[in-house]
Amino acid sequence: GAVVSQHPSWVICKSGTSVKIECRSLDFQATTMFWYRQFPKQSLMLMATSNEGSKATYEQGVEKDKFLINHASLTLSTLTVTSAHPEDSSFYICSATSDGLPYNEQFFGPGTRLTVL
Amino acid sequence: GEDVEQSLFLSVREGDSSVINCTYTDSSSTYLYWYKQEPGAGLQLLTYIFSNMDMKQDQRLTVLLNKKDKHLSLRIADTQTGDSAIYFCAPWDGYSGGGADGLTFGKGTHLIIQP
Repeated sequence: GAVVSQHPSWVICKSGTSVKIECRSLDFQATTMFWYRQFPKQSLMLMATSNEGSKATYEQGVEKDKFLINHASLTLSTLTVTSAHPEDSSFYICSATSDGLPYNEQFFGPGTRLTVL
Repeated sequence: GEDVEQSLFLSVREGDSSVINCTYTDSSSTYLYWYKQEPGAGLQLLTYIFSNMDMKQDQRLTVLLNKKDKHLSLRIADTQTGDSAIYFCAPWDGYSGGGADGLTFGKGTHLIIQP
């Protein structure tokens, strides 16, 4: 299957700072990328959908000014957590898909664990 | 929106069959996926079933779909220690607003293998 990478795999930051997480599709062009958040022992919650070249669509309850998403190319999407606070600590997972993929599969990155002190 | 329910834990003996159940609410789901997540890792697509199918078999995996009851199950035959993970059910209802929709996941079922 296709490969999606995330960088960094983990990050620790101080409260009030901003953190950028990258999601890359390594061997295919991703027309759509998704960002999910997973709390410990919880399910993945969709945060936003990002189509290349257009503004991200955020799910209800997700602050778009806090979680900035940029999908500037068909292989890269970034999630920036601005002015991070301890309650933003979580496991962030991206996925990528492309129009016409068999059974519309989404390929998931390995995740980024964010800890805000 | 879609609601997806799964039992949180399932404990089976090594070599037995595991059956993980899932119920969902959106009858317009076109594909229904099963994902596996090992500790600290991302998600791996295990298998899927298209909404016009009742059953799909893929080696040790059997997926059963009851559309009337909106019930999906995953059976793992001859369960091994390597099957120990969290299994997520994720129905998908297609496209909206010009692009693919994201997935709605159940809470996940922790599969525990006893020796």
